[in-house]
Amino acid sequence: DTGVSQDPRHKITKRGQNVTFRCDPISEHNRLYWYRQTLGQGPEFLTYFQNEAQLEKSRLLSDRFSAERPKGSFSTLEIQRTEQGDSAMYLCASSLGWTGGSVSEKLFFGSGTQLSVL
Amino acid sequence: SQKIEQNSEALNIQEGKTATLTCNYTNYSPAYLQWYRQDPGRGPVFLLLIRENEKEKRKERLKVTFDTTLKQSLFHITASQPADSATYLCALQIKAAGNKLTFGGGTRVLVKP
Repeated sequence: DTGVSQDPRHKITKRGQNVTFRCDPISEHNRLYWYRQTLGQGPEFLTYFQNEAQLEKSRLLSDRFSAERPKGSFSTLEIQRTEQGDSAMYLCASSLGWTGGSVSEKLFFGSGTQLSVL
Repeated sequence: SQKIEQNSEALNIQEGKTATLTCNYTNYSPAYLQWYRQDPGRGPVFLLLIRENEKEKRKERLKVTFDTTLKQSLFHITASQPADSATYLCALQIKAAGNKLTFGGGTRVLVKP
């Protein structure tokens, strides 16, 4: 399978614990995005990378959230001291980005990591 | 403030009819508008992209229109089938915002046989 993969699919944790999610994008894609989605809502932007550089982080994102993309390949999203309000589906997506004539932001999404904070 | 609005009420439609979904936005000047399909427990899947200088785009039974004056896009599913039942999301790609996609809340479509 050459799509975007996320691990784990489901995570249940207790409030105050740290959690880390992994995303493996499509190999030739240089942009990687993290979104968060709650029931009945559309995906909400968290952060994105162009290769290994983190270009933008949502102002809504607290300091408890951090993301990395070492070597411009896979990415990890860590949430420290989880709160019940962090319960959501965390979606990773990748795209080709700049393709010479235009920035193609057709996103390919993974199946997400469903986080439940008890 | 900037908003992307989709009808939050589910659209119930009879098989074979045309489903029409609306995406309205304010205070944006998008370069592109995209539509995605999302099934329960899955990530969104890209369907169509339309550029700011295009009025209409088609793909098989899907049609998208884009009116930058009205700040509105319409998404049509013709000859709808029960397999079309899903949530449909519109998303704007805005150059001034680094070209990242901003999504609407989605509209759930239920096609009844």
